[in-house]
Amino acid sequence: RKEVEQDPGPFNVPEGATVAFNCTYSNSASQSFFWYRQDCRKEPKLLMSVYSSGNEDGRFTAQLNRASQYISLLIRDSKLSDSATYLCVVLGNQGGKLIFGQGTELSVKP
Amino acid sequence: GAGVSQTPSNKVTEKGKYVELRCDPISGHTALYWYRQSLGQGPEFLIYFQGTGAADDSGLPNDRFFAVRPEGSVSTLKIQRTERGDSAVYLCASSFRGGSTDTQYFGPGTRLTVL
Repeated sequence: RKEVEQDPGPFNVPEGATVAFNCTYSNSASQSFFWYRQDCRKEPKLLMSVYSSGNEDGRFTAQLNRASQYISLLIRDSKLSDSATYLCVVLGNQGGKLIFGQGTELSVKP
Repeated sequence: GAGVSQTPSNKVTEKGKYVELRCDPISGHTALYWYRQSLGQGPEFLIYFQGTGAADDSGLPNDRFFAVRPEGSVSTLKIQRTERGDSAVYLCASSFRGGSTDTQYFGPGTRLTVL
């Protein structure tokens, strides 16, 4: 079983739609969680950190459920520019390495 | 300021050859990371430097892979006797101190193709 698992998609949605991505992680001792965004043939960039209380940044909301070892990302009012691959990421126990999921591809259509 | 830079951007080599990939981290960042990303997959951790020393090299797949950071800034990832399965994008990242509180900033990657 992979340490971080995501549905690879692709998710094809119209502009203005709300879309949710889910992710599970296997190590119950994990402490830090993130969503990264990766555009085609570009490097990953931090989208947002994920906190136990849930957090929101504009149209993006991240949630963490430690009991279920489950992380989610909700995007409201999708824009064409949201088209990218969204990577669920867990910080490894040794504090340095990031453990990435496979990524979920989102395509927002006009 | 300047971000993480990596050279070359593309490298094509033949099976069995030796390659070196270079990473220039953001100035002042003490932590440096190497990852590799195969098509359709997320990045996979290779090695993490804190200063000049490798704090975690658990991701290096075998002894053909080696990385150095002799002066605590630029790092070189070295791959001996390349195999076709080594073809991937090799990503470098840096962060200010390392650890859970620091954002890792990624470079554009080196796309390695082994023929």
